[in-house]
Amino acid sequence: EVQLLESGGGLVQPGGSLRLSCAASGFTFNGWTMNWVRQAPGEGLEWVSVIGNDGDNIHYADSVKGRFTISRDNSKNTLYLQMNSLRAEDTAVYYCVQDGWYNWGQGTLVTVSS
Amino acid sequence: EIVLTQSPATLSLSPGERATLSCRASQSVGSSLAWYQQKPGQAPRLLIYDASSRATGIPARFSGSGSGTDFTLTISSLEPEDFVVYYCQQRSEWPLTFGGGTKVEIK
Repeated sequence: EVQLLESGGGLVQPGGSLRLSCAASGFTFNGWTMNWVRQAPGEGLEWVSVIGNDGDNIHYADSVKGRFTISRDNSKNTLYLQMNSLRAEDTAVYYCVQDGWYNWGQGTLVTVSS
Repeated sequence: EIVLTQSPATLSLSPGERATLSCRASQSVGSSLAWYQQKPGQAPRLLIYDASSRATGIPARFSGSGSGTDFTLTISSLEPEDFVVYYCQQRSEWPLTFGGGTKVEIK
């Protein structure tokens, strides 16, 4: 069974940084492209970033470009999202999603507030 | 970026009725469109990919159609658990984008 477990969310001040992790199991992690998607409270879905199976082919949403960095460690079956210069509008539940889009994590909440 | 516009924002129907949800793209996405269902407090669930292919385990009452810029998700006969929110997503080009969602509510 595929499992995606996000962690690292929490409360951070504007301008601060946070690193999210997504621990994957139940599939061959290094064979799959992975995505981050977020959802602000009461709002719709926003795709954030993607990374290819071997760490190449990286893309970002314009809203996070230059501030967020996606990466992965295939030896640890873990996906990361380094978030810098955080803004109030980055407040959201962040999901990691296996490409193919069947399998989503449960999400981790990031709150940016002073 | 490709903008997806979903309509209506809210659809009020009764159980057993047919639901027709629309998703319009600002430019052609070919058939690279997916539909998701999201229940409160849960992650989205993939319903339809490539505009008209039903995902594994999705009931036959869900169907998708369209190509280019105009797409439709049809629920042939609404079950009580179908009264939730639906999103479309284009996978034609980066950045990937989602529509704003349609909430199907009980009339």
